[in-house]
Amino acid sequence: GQNIDQPTEMTATEGAIVQINCTYQTSGFNGLFWYQQHAGEAPTFLSYNVLDGLEEKGRFSSFLSRSKGYSYLLLKELQMKDSASYLCAVRDGDYKLSFGAGTTVTVRA
Amino acid sequence: ETGVTQTPRHLVMGMTNKKSLKCEQHLGHNAMYWYKQSAKKPLELMFVYSLEERVENNSVPSRFSPECPNSSHLFLHLHTLQPEDSALYLCASSQEGFSGANVLTFGAGSRLTVL
Repeated sequence: GQNIDQPTEMTATEGAIVQINCTYQTSGFNGLFWYQQHAGEAPTFLSYNVLDGLEEKGRFSSFLSRSKGYSYLLLKELQMKDSASYLCAVRDGDYKLSFGAGTTVTVRA
Repeated sequence: ETGVTQTPRHLVMGMTNKKSLKCEQHLGHNAMYWYKQSAKKPLELMFVYSLEERVENNSVPSRFSPECPNSSHLFLHLHTLQPEDSALYLCASSQEGFSGANVLTFGAGSRLTVL
């Protein structure tokens, strides 16, 4: 089966940095995704990593190490609107995207 | 309309009712998905349709019946559900078959409560 682990909750202060870790053990690997989901809304795509290394997109960066089965999402210069659930997902075959349970990030003023 | 649209957004039904969830995508994608999202649990893939053919059925009880009449529309027919089926049902679409990320685009979901 697939096993994708991420912390349940994290809290940080406005303007700070938060790093959300994700470890995975899957039968195959064809890319790792991060999605953001605000309460009551659709998950929206944040980032995609298929090769080892860091991908940067503005305030958000995502890192992948395939040999370690490890990724993180880095959120810099936190804003109140970043309070949301962050979902780590691994594509392990055609059409198969397996998700972690999500990390709820709360940003405090 | 843009993106992926789901109706209804909220649905309350009894265990003996029959209802349907509807999903429509306006992105020209060739694959559509149903996911179940329960509190504090990972999204569970239920069904996948590619070019209107079902390609995944992840051991979902027969009280859930999907239908994909064309590449833009996806339904989930519900019959004799149980209270544990109460959850957020998310529809998604993607463009499969090409190299690249094949990103899923999700709808906002249908919140189902079974009494």
